[in-house]
Parts: sequence; structure tokens; C-alpha cells
Amino acid sequence: GESVGLHLPTLSVQEGDNSIINCAYSNSASDYFIWYKQESGKGPQFIIDIRSNMDKRQGQRVTVLLNKTVKHLSLQIAATQPGDSAVYFCAVIEEDNYGQNFVFGPGTRLSVLP
Amino acid sequence: EPEVTQTPSHQVTQMGQEVILRCVPISNHLYFYWYRQILGQKVEFLVSFYNNEISEKSEIFDDQFSVERPDGSNFTLKIRSTKLEDSAMYFCASSFKPEQYFGPGTRLTVT
Repeated sequence: GESVGLHLPTLSVQEGDNSIINCAYSNSASDYFIWYKQESGKGPQFIIDIRSNMDKRQGQRVTVLLNKTVKHLSLQIAATQPGDSAVYFCAVIEEDNYGQNFVFGPGTRLSVLP
Repeated sequence: EPEVTQTPSHQVTQMGQEVILRCVPISNHLYFYWYRQILGQKVEFLVSFYNNEISEKSEIFDDQFSVERPDGSNFTLKIRSTKLEDSAMYFCASSFKPEQYFGPGTRLTVT
């Protein structure tokens, strides 16, 4: 089955700097990927998604990059703010006609330093 | 903005007891999910539900677990005979594809 890992469990960045959070997955047939943000005591919050037919997608201050060759996914946060402090994790999704099978990475805790 | 709601926010139960965790998904969503997150660990998929039946389930979702959508709004997770290791946050989610919206979670503590 699919397994999802993360390169770094914690990341500290200075306010205003860019953050890069990484994820690796094992199943080359995975076709959909999502980054979530989870603040303490809350449920995961959708940030941005990307399908396997793309290699880059941009949102507001966030960019997701997908490298299917090495099965690697990254989330870039521009001009990191204190409100960005949270655990970020990727989800790798395999879809069929009946639904979606989600496999989550373990998460990276982002701390934004003043 | 519509949101997924879950009740209760915290449930304490004794080992061997049955618990029912309740969720109200977003009204026009078609796909429903339950996840759990043991303290300090990653989110784990339990089950997905579509068209009034289970579409996918994980190895965690054994015979002790069941899901129901008893009416047009609620989506429930039942654990028949709780074990200590069932203690976790349980998240409900719903989607109309592709975005999946999570509820705030129910913290289940089994003593």
C-alpha cells in the first residue's frame, strides 16, 4: 500500500522568510495530493491541492510542487507569518469511482520566530 | 461559510462500552469520511462513505466499527466495544470533490 513520509518533523523559520515543507510518497499511481494545516486542537484545514498531471500550483502565498519522477511533494510558504505556525502534512490520494483513499504523512511542525 | 460539525467534543468512556460519535457534514456534499489521530501521531484514514454505503475502509476499521447515515444530515461512527487503544481524536470530513472539509474532532478517551 501507499506510504507517505516527511523529511523533517520540525521547522523553525524567521518571520518574513520563506518556508519549504517536504513530503515523499511511494505509490507512483497516486493521482491527487493535498496539503493540510492543523493548528493545535483543531481539525486539518485544506490549504492547496495538485493533481498528478501538474507539477506546480500556486495559491495565496503558497505553492505546491510535485515531482513525480522522484515521488516528492513540497509546500512553499512565502513571507511566513506567525499565523502560519502549525503542523503541516500532506495527503496522498488514490481515487476511484467510489471515493478517495487518503494516506497522510506524519506532519512537520512549523514554528515562526519573531 | 458552511462547516462540518461534530458532537460531542470530548467523550470519556470505560473499556468495553459502546460509543457513537456524531457528525453533520456539509449539506451538499456527497462523500463522507472518518479519520482518527492518536495523540502526537499522524492522521489515519478509517472509512469513506458514498451513496449510502462504505466505499473504502482501512485495516483499522474492523468489525468493532460501523458507520451510518441514519437521515439526510447525520453521519455516525460507532465503536461497539471500546479498547484503551481507541483513545484518539476522531475527525469527520465531507467533500464534494476535490476539497475535503474536516470537522473539529471528537476526543475519545477510553479508561
